[in-house]
Amino acid sequence: DGGITQSPKYLFRKEGQNVTLSCEQNLNHDAMYWYRQDPGQGLRLIYYSQIVNDFQKGDIAEGYSVSREKKESFPLTVTSAQKNPTAFYLCASSPQVRLTEAFFGQGTRLTVV
Amino acid sequence: GDSVTQMEGPVTLSEEAFLTINCTYTATGYPSLFWYVQYPGEGLQLLLKATKADDKGSNKGFEATYRKETTSFHLEKGSVQVSDSAVYFCALSPLSNFGNEKLTFGTGTRLTIIP
Repeated sequence: DGGITQSPKYLFRKEGQNVTLSCEQNLNHDAMYWYRQDPGQGLRLIYYSQIVNDFQKGDIAEGYSVSREKKESFPLTVTSAQKNPTAFYLCASSPQVRLTEAFFGQGTRLTVV
Repeated sequence: GDSVTQMEGPVTLSEEAFLTINCTYTATGYPSLFWYVQYPGEGLQLLLKATKADDKGSNKGFEATYRKETTSFHLEKGSVQVSDSAVYFCALSPLSNFGNEKLTFGTGTRLTIIP
């Protein structure tokens, strides 16, 4: 089945450690996105990529990094510079030419203790 | 910049009640408009969409009409069920000739249906 897979579903890390969230898609979509979801704040865009080896900052990129070495994969690293990393992280993908629909993964809930 | 304003929740209704969740937007040109639904602990699923003015999107008994004159895309359902309990997000994607499009979301409206 085609879709987007995020792993793991739950992740716990100690403060000060970097952590990488996985996102893989087999939909052959060019564009991929990372969103952060906090209660009462909706979804905020962290980074997005429209082609392999290229990506752009979203609205809240500070403290995060990404890579896009393969079309299917768009991992997100939450660094120790991110001041409040505990949140629900959502990955999405869409066809490049015209954004008619974005497909979302099941999300990763990151808790930093 | 682009923005989406949604009706604040939470919204609690009895089963079979009529539902309206208001959504208005600010954007240049003619954006595409979407409603997404999120069930507990899951990602977002597209519920319906409209890509031009006066289009009506519909799915699973939900409807929304793209109103350019009022910059609105209100979500409606005539008779809600307990299974409709979820968080609903309104979103827009701007029309761009550069392929540089991304979704802007509202803050979400939590809907609870009681039997």
